[in-house]
Amino acid sequence: SQQGEEDPQALSIQEGENATMNCSYKTSINNLQWYRQNSGRGLVHLILIRSNEREKHSGRLRVTLDTSKKSSSLLITASRAADTASYFCATAPTGGGNKLTFGTGTQLKVEL
Amino acid sequence: DGGITQSPKYLFRKEGQNVTLSCEQNLNHDAMYWYRQDPGQGLRLIYYSQIVNDFQKGDIAEGYSVSREKKESFPLTVTSAQKNPTAFYLCASSETGAKNTEAFFGQGTRLTVV
Repeated sequence: SQQGEEDPQALSIQEGENATMNCSYKTSINNLQWYRQNSGRGLVHLILIRSNEREKHSGRLRVTLDTSKKSSSLLITASRAADTASYFCATAPTGGGNKLTFGTGTQLKVEL
Repeated sequence: DGGITQSPKYLFRKEGQNVTLSCEQNLNHDAMYWYRQDPGQGLRLIYYSQIVNDFQKGDIAEGYSVSREKKESFPLTVTSAQKNPTAFYLCASSETGAKNTEAFFGQGTRLTVV
C-alpha cells in the first residue's frame, strides 16, 4: 500500500528560488528517507532522518520530521536547473526492517 | 566499482510470454527488493528478500516470481499471469540488521508488452 502522499504533485520554480516538498505517512516509522529520480533512471538516496530527529541538513537540503503529525518536508535552497527531477519520500516502518514504502512523488522543474 | 546492475535496460515481451529481469549487486547486501513504477506514480513493492533462499511477497506480487539462490542475484520473472506488465521495474538492495540504512537502486528495466 502507498503509505506516503506527497504535496505538491508538481512544482515549477525559477533558478535560485527555494523548493519545498511535503510528505505525509500513516504508520509508526523507524526513519524517513528522501530520494531523487531523474527521468527514466533509478533512484538516488538524498537524506535519511531518524524518528527521534526533528531536523537534518545536508548541503542545500533541509529535512524536517514531525512524528506527531506524521509528516516531513524537504527544502532545497538556492535551486539550480540540475535539481530538476522527481523527489520521493520513503518510510521504513517500525519493526519492518528496511522494507521501504514510497510516496507518489513531487515533480520539480527548475527553470533558468 | 560497487553498485547494483539491472539488465536489460529495455525489454519487449509478447503477450503470453514469461520474461526474466536480471538484478546483480556487489555491495555485499543481504536484502534485495523489486519495485514497479507506473508513469507518474510512486514505487510499489513486488517482492523482497532479506537472506539467500528466502523471499517474501510485497504489495503487488501476483503475476510475478523471484528466486534468491545467490546473495548477489535476485532475478524477477514476469509471468503471463501478470495482466498489465508494461512498467518500469527497479531493483534495490540494502543492509539488514541496522535499522537506519539507505537503499541503493539499479538504473531500471523498462518492460513493454507488444
